Amino acid sequence: DADVTQTPRNRITKTGKRIMLECSQTKGHDRMYWYRQDPGLGLQLIYYSFDVKDINKGEISDGYSVSRQAQAKFSLSLESAIPNQTALYFCATSEYPDSSYGYTFGSGTRLTVV
Amino acid sequence: AQKITQTQPGMFVQEKEAVTLDCTYDTSDPSYGLFWYKQPSSGEMIFLIYQGSYDQQNATEGRYSLNFQKARKSANLVISASQLGDSAMYFCAMRDPQRLRHGSSNTGKLIFGQGTTLQVKP
Repeated sequence: DADVTQTPRNRITKTGKRIMLECSQTKGHDRMYWYRQDPGLGLQLIYYSFDVKDINKGEISDGYSVSRQAQAKFSLSLESAIPNQTALYFCATSEYPDSSYGYTFGSGTRLTVV
Repeated sequence: AQKITQTQPGMFVQEKEAVTLDCTYDTSDPSYGLFWYKQPSSGEMIFLIYQGSYDQQNATEGRYSLNFQKARKSANLVISASQLGDSAMYFCAMRDPQRLRHGSSNTGKLIFGQGTTLQVKP
């Protein structure tokens, strides 16, 4: 099993629908992050969490919410999906803030909003 | 604000030749970390190499080396002896030194550049 698992891998949804992207990890890391990737823009941070009670907004949190159900689980929700949220979404974990490995990434969720 | 810039949207290199992918960064904090990741067409993010701001020597990992020029704020990735499997998107990233509260550890956030697509020609 992968260290960081994202589900679903691919999803097509309609405008206005609520959708949840899930992330689970077996690394035992406290820090978890959600990013979205758009062509030509690199990866942009949506939300991040240091533990189940510590959740913080990233640079592009509008239109998204998150839930840290346990140390191992961090879910991203789109309350009312819109087409410009079509992107590749990554969940990532980090053991400690100054890790020389940066993140352990999930395989990504490719979301299309039609 | 911290910023990472990759000015080469696309690069071509002949197989077995070396290639340099450019990355410049902007920060006023003396302590930071710089990373390079590879993203093949399958989409996953693969860690390649890390350079700490206080490291005296350029980082190397196999065919990858990081040309770290602190005064110029550049952290270019050098891939030697290119292989067809090196064809991918490459991202430069910097660890944001921001602390949420005074005295706390940094957030560990990574700030990414726009990416460079590398194509290796046979």
